[in-house]
Amino acid sequence: GENVEQHPSTLSVQEGDSAVIKCTYSDSASNYFPWYKQELGKRPQLIIDIRSNVGEKKDQRIAVTLNKTAKHFSLHITETQPEDSAVYFCAASIRGGGSNYKLTFGKGTLLTVNP
Amino acid sequence: GAGVSQTPSNKVTEKGKYVELRCDPISGHTALYWYRQSLGQGPEFLIYFQGTGAADDSGLPNDRFFAVRPEGSVSTLKIQRTERGDSAVYLCASSLTASTEAFFGQGTRLTVV
Repeated sequence: GENVEQHPSTLSVQEGDSAVIKCTYSDSASNYFPWYKQELGKRPQLIIDIRSNVGEKKDQRIAVTLNKTAKHFSLHITETQPEDSAVYFCAASIRGGGSNYKLTFGKGTLLTVNP
Repeated sequence: GAGVSQTPSNKVTEKGKYVELRCDPISGHTALYWYRQSLGQGPEFLIYFQGTGAADDSGLPNDRFFAVRPEGSVSTLKIQRTERGDSAVYLCASSLTASTEAFFGQGTRLTVV
């Protein structure tokens, strides 16, 4: 089955700096890669996703890049703010062809943005 | 409702007891998923329903775990003879179809003492 590795496990940055979180996956059939933000005691919420037919996607201060050949993808947050502090999870799944959208998650990155 | 609702939010039970965890998905969502999240870990897939049927239960850890969705809406995750290792947050998610965004509930924190 799919295996997703995520690094780093913790990341501390100063407000205004950029943050980068990296993930690798093992199943070359995976074609959908969402990122979730989870604040303490709250539900995971989708913040951005990318499909395997594109290499990069951007939404305001958040961007995701995908390298299918190397089987890794990254989350980039620019101009970080204290409210960006949370645990971020990457995930991978297979969409289409009757797949069930089952997500395989990384172990998470605790991002702390210091004012 | 506004989102995926899970009840109870917290459940403490004694080792060996039976528990039921409930998930109310977003109205009209045909796909429903259960995940388990242990402390410091990402969610792990347990089971997926498409409508009333369990299309994939490959993530259930053993036969003490069972889930139903009899009318294609509300789902119940059932755990028999609970063990301390079952302690975790159990998350439910639903999506309009299997290929659209999944929305998570806030989870049920299960503690087995």
